[in-house]
Amino acid sequence: SQTIHQWPATLVQPVGSPLSLECTVEGTSNPNLYWYRQAAGRGLQLLFYSVGIGQISSEVPQNLSASRPQDRQFILSSKKLLLSDSGFYLCAWTSISGANVLTFGAGSRLTVL
Amino acid sequence: AQSVTQLGSHVSVSEGALVLLRCNYSSSVPPYLFWYVQYPNQGLQLLLKYTSAATLVKGINGFEAEFKKSETSFHLTKPSAHMSDAAEYFCAVSESGANSKLTFGKGITLSVRP
Repeated sequence: SQTIHQWPATLVQPVGSPLSLECTVEGTSNPNLYWYRQAAGRGLQLLFYSVGIGQISSEVPQNLSASRPQDRQFILSSKKLLLSDSGFYLCAWTSISGANVLTFGAGSRLTVL
Repeated sequence: AQSVTQLGSHVSVSEGALVLLRCNYSSSVPPYLFWYVQYPNQGLQLLLKYTSAATLVKGINGFEAEFKKSETSFHLTKPSAHMSDAAEYFCAVSESGANSKLTFGKGITLSVRP
């Protein structure tokens, strides 16, 4: 069966510090991978998605970047965090042959102070 | 372009009462529609999906939703609420066909009173 792992689960970082959130998927190959951010009362905002190694599409201009160094690994990064980067970050995957069903990780809560 | 509207941010029901969470969508092509549930500090879990087969879709935990094209709606219902149903619920839409991205509504919080 397929599983998705995200870490760290919780992170408190000072403004201006770097960020690295990791996501890995097991039990499948060539998944589509996504990073979402969730802010209170604003639903889910798609940040990045990837259909293959090294292929990253950005949905919104921002202080964040994403990379996909391996087929089942997706990394969200920032060189210098802003207060507005605080939020709950969710990684998700879909099968390329599925009915667009997203399977989500447990999420990473980032607080920037 | 697609969009989802979930009116209101909070619904409160008594335990045992009917749960009705509304979702209206906009799509220029035949849509796929989804309901997800999120418990506090957790990821989202798929409740049910509509992918152009039967218009009445049954999901997990006793929930179901009906696709009504004429009303552009996909409301979520459950005949009898349970305390464990308290969570945030998200409706989402995508184009039919593989590899289409989902667009989510803002979510609605369901509270269940004893």
